[in-house]
Amino acid sequence: DAGVTQSPTHLIKTRGQHVTLRCSPISGHKSVSWYQQVLGQGPQFIFQYYEKEERGRGNFPDRFSARQFPNYSSELNVNALLLGDSALYLCASSLVAGRTNYGYTFGSGTRLTVV
Amino acid sequence: QQQVKQSPQSLIVQKGGISIINCAYENTAFDYFPWYQQFPGKGPALLIAIRPDVSEKKEGRFTISFNKSAKQFSLHIMDSQPGDSATYFCAATHSGGSNYKLTFGKGTLLTVNP
Repeated sequence: DAGVTQSPTHLIKTRGQHVTLRCSPISGHKSVSWYQQVLGQGPQFIFQYYEKEERGRGNFPDRFSARQFPNYSSELNVNALLLGDSALYLCASSLVAGRTNYGYTFGSGTRLTVV
Repeated sequence: QQQVKQSPQSLIVQKGGISIINCAYENTAFDYFPWYQQFPGKGPALLIAIRPDVSEKKEGRFTISFNKSAKQFSLHIMDSQPGDSATYFCAATHSGGSNYKLTFGKGTLLTVNP
């Protein structure tokens, strides 16, 4: 059984550019969440989507946006990249949005480096 | 404002010893407290979790102790093994809402020497 799949695994971008990160949830999971993990810190919540609707948004600027597709996969978009956006971006999938006993599995992440 | 404070930042333990990591939270609405284990190049993986209606939960060598009045919880790893060397994160969330947002601590890098 495939776990949470994220692509690409590594990415180098220049300041000011735009980036799109992709996530495929575990089969049957309808909710996808995105987290940013800066080196040496714990993951920070960015977004949660469930059934293609945004269910939660963390304290991130409007440069960050996301969407979820009918097949429940998701994209995280970041515009006007800053050096401080360099981080590991994690995707987590779960069956539903708000309950803790329905599984919550992280992917291995996309390592974004902004130069 | 850091809602979940984790200590220590790093920990070195001898094989067979006990590893103890502590966390404190501020938001009294939190009602689910998981611990995650993360190896280099991987995403966090759920290790064990507890709800505030119990004071202790044990799964194999891993135990969570929970003190609701002090708003503190800790992870104990008994008989620590070199394979346990990883970064450990405590987290907290308010379950039952419209979304499931985990608030993480800053992490503890555990090294178990053979």
